[in-house]
Amino acid sequence: DVKVTQSSRYLVKRTGEKVFLECVQDMDHENMFWYRQDPGLGLRLIYFSYDVKMKEKGDIPEGYSVSREKKERFSLILESASTNQTSMYLCASSRSPIYEQYFGPGTRLTVT
Amino acid sequence: AQSVTQLDSQVPVFEEAPVELRCNYSSSVSVYLFWYVQYPNQGLQLLLKYLSGSTLVKGINGFEAEFNKSQTSFHLRKPSVHISDTAEYFCAVGHGSGNTGKLIFGQGTTLQVKP
Repeated sequence: DVKVTQSSRYLVKRTGEKVFLECVQDMDHENMFWYRQDPGLGLRLIYFSYDVKMKEKGDIPEGYSVSREKKERFSLILESASTNQTSMYLCASSRSPIYEQYFGPGTRLTVT
Repeated sequence: AQSVTQLDSQVPVFEEAPVELRCNYSSSVSVYLFWYVQYPNQGLQLLLKYLSGSTLVKGINGFEAEFNKSQTSFHLRKPSVHISDTAEYFCAVGHGSGNTGKLIFGQGTTLQVKP
């Protein structure tokens, strides 16, 4: 059974903290994605990676960075967390950017 | 730009009634089509997909969808819903090729099944 795991289900951080969200997939997929989900706005793509050490900006990359040192792991970094980054963060992986994506359970981040 | 429109933000329905969740997309080229379901505080789970072949696609939990190329639609249906189907549903379109391709999501439709 395919699996995407995220390091935390719930996270509370203070404004200005550096935040790391980790995602691991066990399907040997080349492509991995980070989305944020907000009520009424659907899913918005932050960054994606189509290979190790490769990354591409999505629709809302400002305030975020990513790291992919190993094929199975894709990290999202908030360099200096702000309250407007309070959201649900979803990680996904796929064998192609246009095929089905498999999602992790999500991390609900609250920045106070 | 490619877009996906889910025509209803909320769909209330009584248990055991049929339901249709509507999805339209804008594309003049071949696309791949997907429906996902998201239960509260969970990630998205794939319900069904259309890649090619038969335009009627069957998925999990008794759902099905029909690809209509002329109307650029991919509506999701279920003949009889259960309380447990209460969730948010997302339509998605895969467009493009290679590493420049994207999966574009609709805004979501909340299905509320009432007893």
